[in-house]
Amino acid sequence: DQQVKQNSPSLSVQEGRISILNCDYTNSMFDYFLWYKKYPAEGPTFLISISSIKDKNEDGRFTVFLNKSAKHLSLHIVPSQPGDSAVYFCAASPYYGQNFVFGPGTRLSVLP
Amino acid sequence: EAGVAQSPRYKIIEKRQSVAFWCNPISGHATLYWYQQILGQGPKLLIQFQNNGVVDDSQLPKDRFSAERLKGVDSTLKIQPAKLEDSAVYLCASGTGDGYTFGSGTRLTVV
Repeated sequence: DQQVKQNSPSLSVQEGRISILNCDYTNSMFDYFLWYKKYPAEGPTFLISISSIKDKNEDGRFTVFLNKSAKHLSLHIVPSQPGDSAVYFCAASPYYGQNFVFGPGTRLSVLP
Repeated sequence: EAGVAQSPRYKIIEKRQSVAFWCNPISGHATLYWYQQILGQGPKLLIQFQNNGVVDDSQLPKDRFSAERLKGVDSTLKIQPAKLEDSAVYLCASGTGDGYTFGSGTRLTVV
């Protein structure tokens, strides 16, 4: 039973355009959400987080939106750059600092 | 700040053999995690330590997997005996709450 879903295994976007990566979750107890980026042969790297008291968090080119009623969050990357090409994981937890449940990931390819 | 160190990077063993992975977390991080990432899936938590105590090992297959964190710093994860389905990347992470820092992982292939 997948509690965190990323239904798009892959996404291709032109350089300079917006990338939108989606994530859905089923556990209504989840209260804290993270996005990680992973390059081949490296461990995942923390990107951005959001707690359920917010609906938006922004950090440079990266913005995460949370719709708690729909149990949906999305990561927007604007503008997309070739260096953003990686696998992006969404992760959720019921408590800040506790173990996170990860989605299966979405492979983003930013084309020059 | 030094990152999370893991060794070895790669390991190939035959099924029914044993294997051990080592992790050195970021200095001062009390919380340490071991994750298993099977190809095409997201990381799955195996065990979480707080200092040298276990916080959550509910998803650790205890009949074959064991982990320890002596002195609350380094940690080892052992598999004995290994099965084909244990082929995965084993990731160690440490953190203070707002996102973990992961090591590069150990890629285990069981043949």
